[in-house]
Amino acid sequence: EDKVVQSPLSLVVHEGDTVTLNCSYEVTNFRSLLWYKQEKKAPTFLFMLTSSGIEKKSGRLSSILDKKELFSILNITATQTGDSAIYLCAVISGGYQKVTFGTGTKLQVIP
Amino acid sequence: DADVTQTPRNRITKTGKRIMLECSQTKGHDRMYWYRQDPGLGLRLIYYSFDVKDINKGEISDGYSVSRQAQAKFSLSLESAIPNQTALYFCATSDPTLQGRQYFGPGTRLTVT
Repeated sequence: EDKVVQSPLSLVVHEGDTVTLNCSYEVTNFRSLLWYKQEKKAPTFLFMLTSSGIEKKSGRLSSILDKKELFSILNITATQTGDSAIYLCAVISGGYQKVTFGTGTKLQVIP
Repeated sequence: DADVTQTPRNRITKTGKRIMLECSQTKGHDRMYWYRQDPGLGLRLIYYSFDVKDINKGEISDGYSVSRQAQAKFSLSLESAIPNQTALYFCATSDPTLQGRQYFGPGTRLTVT
């Protein structure tokens, strides 16, 4: 059975801190890994990773994939209160692109 | 994404009632999905459809049914609602050329009393 595990489940940090969120996976025929941010409602897309070792970056957020060790990390530097959200990791696998979501990491950034 | 809409946005219903949640999209995607989200459990797939004639069960389909009326419309029904179906429901679409990236509707908060 395909599995995606995120850690930690929740995290409280102060503004300005750097955080690292983890996503490990066990799937058959990996295609891609995606990160989403979920604030009040619908998840919004952050990154898609398909190749190992290539960092994707957007402002203070960055992510990298390790296909050998089967994990990805999402880094957020100089955190702000607006970064408070649930961060979801999803893995796409198989010829028909099955989607498996992790349970998410709830990040709270306090002033 | 405004291209994916869900109705209603909030609904309170009683145990045993039939309820339908509707999803429409203007993205032109063939693939549509229904997810349920409970606190601490992430997104769990209920049903998915790769085109109008192709509908598949997800990991938690018991107690739910779906209808794909057109490429743009995908409805989720609870035939006889029960309290543990209280949750946040999301519709999503995707295109196979996008390697699995999904576009989500705003969600429907359903409460079954």
